[in-house]
Amino acid sequence: DVKVTQSSRYLVKRTGEKVFLECVQDMDHENMFWYRQDPGLGLRLIYFSYDVKMKEKGDIPEGYSVSREKKERFSLILESASTNQTSMYLCASRYQQAPYSNQPQHFGDGTRLSIL
Amino acid sequence: QQQVKQSPQSLIVQKGGISIINCAYENTAFDYFPWYQQFPGKGPALLIAIRPDVSEKKEGRFTISFNKSAKQFSLHIMDSQPGDSATYFCAASTDQTGANNLFFGTGTRLTVIP
Repeated sequence: DVKVTQSSRYLVKRTGEKVFLECVQDMDHENMFWYRQDPGLGLRLIYFSYDVKMKEKGDIPEGYSVSREKKERFSLILESASTNQTSMYLCASRYQQAPYSNQPQHFGDGTRLSIL
Repeated sequence: QQQVKQSPQSLIVQKGGISIINCAYENTAFDYFPWYQQFPGKGPALLIAIRPDVSEKKEGRFTISFNKSAKQFSLHIMDSQPGDSATYFCAASTDQTGANNLFFGTGTRLTVIP
């Protein structure tokens, strides 16, 4: 079974802090994704990575950056946390094989981040 | 803008009833339509998916109905059970946008009352 592990289930940080969210997958998946989930807005893509050292902006990248130094690990960084970044953050990974649209994304259980 | 529109936002159904969640899309390049199920405290997981060359796909109590001409698809949960209480996301996918190819609806929170 694919396992996507997010390092923290709950995190409380202060405004202005630099925040790191970590995600590790154990299936050698090429693609990895970071989403935020807010009530009524569904899942919105922040950043994704095709493979190691590669990253692409998603729909809402402002205020975030990412790092992928190893294939199994994808980190989301909040450069200077703000209260509007309080949310549930979900990491996902996917095997890259055509047709890409057929490949399911496998999600971690999320990190609920509160910025005070 | 939202590429996939989903309704209703929440749904309450009696045990044994039918739950119906509807989704609509505009982009005709979409060629794969998965549904994800998310239980409280867990991440979403793939439930069932359909390609537009068929009008219906059934897996156990879960059925996707697909109307290509109307650009709509729906999830039907027959004989709904309290264990089906979860948030359901429809999605649409295309290879034309590369790896960033999965677009989610806004979710439906289903509650099945015993």
